[in-house]
Amino acid sequence: DSGVTQTPKHLITATGQRVTLRCSPRSGDLSVYWYQQSLDQGLQFLIQYYNGEERAKGNILERFSAQQFPDLHSELNLSSLELGDSALYFCASSRGGADEKLFFGSGTQLSVL
Amino acid sequence: GDSVTQMEGPVTLSEEAFLTINCTYTATGYPSLFWYVQYPGEGLQLLLKATKADDKGSNKGFEATYRKETTSFHLEKGSVQVSDSAVYFCALSDPYSGAGSYQLTFGKGTKLSVIP
Repeated sequence: DSGVTQTPKHLITATGQRVTLRCSPRSGDLSVYWYQQSLDQGLQFLIQYYNGEERAKGNILERFSAQQFPDLHSELNLSSLELGDSALYFCASSRGGADEKLFFGSGTQLSVL
Repeated sequence: GDSVTQMEGPVTLSEEAFLTINCTYTATGYPSLFWYVQYPGEGLQLLLKATKADDKGSNKGFEATYRKETTSFHLEKGSVQVSDSAVYFCALSDPYSGAGSYQLTFGKGTKLSVIP
């Protein structure tokens, strides 16, 4: 158990809908990262938050947004969903600063039908 | 931009066989290098890391050496077990990608199946 909790584990929805994925980092971790894993693109970095503020942005679509709350949990919001958004979405956390070790949650499997 | 290339899978080996999974990278800075492992139904776990040239990362019998001259970080294990069956990801973290940000660039993963 990595200590990173993601909910829900599975999500099935329709095109055009909006969903929210939730991540609770390990106790004491200030940084949260979101990754998308798909068969064709592999693991792609989406966005990072550190202590409530956006720190880095990767290949995140404009239809997607994220935030990190004062209690350090994070949410990834996906809107106007398309079939191609079907993927496994991982959250990872780390202490932040110079600590490079990431701890991954077990992911949310999103299926867009 | 940064990129990681690792050998295509799947790889199927018999128990106690020698394992090599090749990984090469391209980076603008001086990256740290990682191997992560993903067991079925789970998230990624850090297997080993190396932060500078000629460093050797090792864990659970797996080893990888940071070779700057060949921009490589090949994963090896002398004798694999059935329990090593998983997907292995090579990754890099470029400290110049942004202040205080250590997002990882991953390879596409190599699925290893070890048969008894």
